[in-house]
Amino acid sequence: DVKVTQSSRYLVKRTGEKVFLECVQDMDHENMFWYRQDPGLGLRLIYFSYDVKMKEKGDIPEGYSVSREKKERFSLILESASTNQTSMYLCASSFGESGQLYEQYFGPGTRLTVT
Amino acid sequence: AQSVSQHNHHVILSEAASLELGCNYSYGGTVNLFWYVQYPGQHLQLLLKYFSGDPLVKGIKGFEAEFIKSKFSFNLRKPSVQWSDTAEYFCAARHFGNEKLTFGTGTRLTIIP
Repeated sequence: DVKVTQSSRYLVKRTGEKVFLECVQDMDHENMFWYRQDPGLGLRLIYFSYDVKMKEKGDIPEGYSVSREKKERFSLILESASTNQTSMYLCASSFGESGQLYEQYFGPGTRLTVT
Repeated sequence: AQSVSQHNHHVILSEAASLELGCNYSYGGTVNLFWYVQYPGQHLQLLLKYFSGDPLVKGIKGFEAEFIKSKFSFNLRKPSVQWSDTAEYFCAARHFGNEKLTFGTGTRLTIIP
């Protein structure tokens, strides 16, 4: 069974704090993704990584950065949290170049509240 | 820009009713299509996917979807819903070979017992 785990289910931070969200997958997937999920807006891609130390911006990268030092771990960083970053954050992973086997596997999500 | 549209934001049905959730995409070229489901308090999980071949795709839990290229649509169907189908449903698309998915805004489905 594919497992994508996220470090926290719920997190409360203050405005201006630096926030780290961690994601780990155990399937040796090449690709990893960070999304935020907001009511009425669906899932929006923040960043993704297709290899260790490689990253690409998604649709809404502003205010976020990422780090991928090891294949199984992908971190999302909020350098200075703001209230408009209150959201559910989802991590996902997939094999690269997998043809018809392509599928993204999701973690349980981290609900971040910035006060 | 590539986009995926789900026009039904909230659908309420009684048990045993038939379901159809709309999904339209704006891609040209070869496209792969997906439906994901998020049950209350659970992970997003894949219901079904279309890559090529038979445009009628069967997924888990009795769901199916039909790819209609001329209409840029990939609607999700189930002939008889159950209370346990209460969830949020997301349609997603990608260009073949692209590693990124574009998701629709989701449809919340509520089944009344």
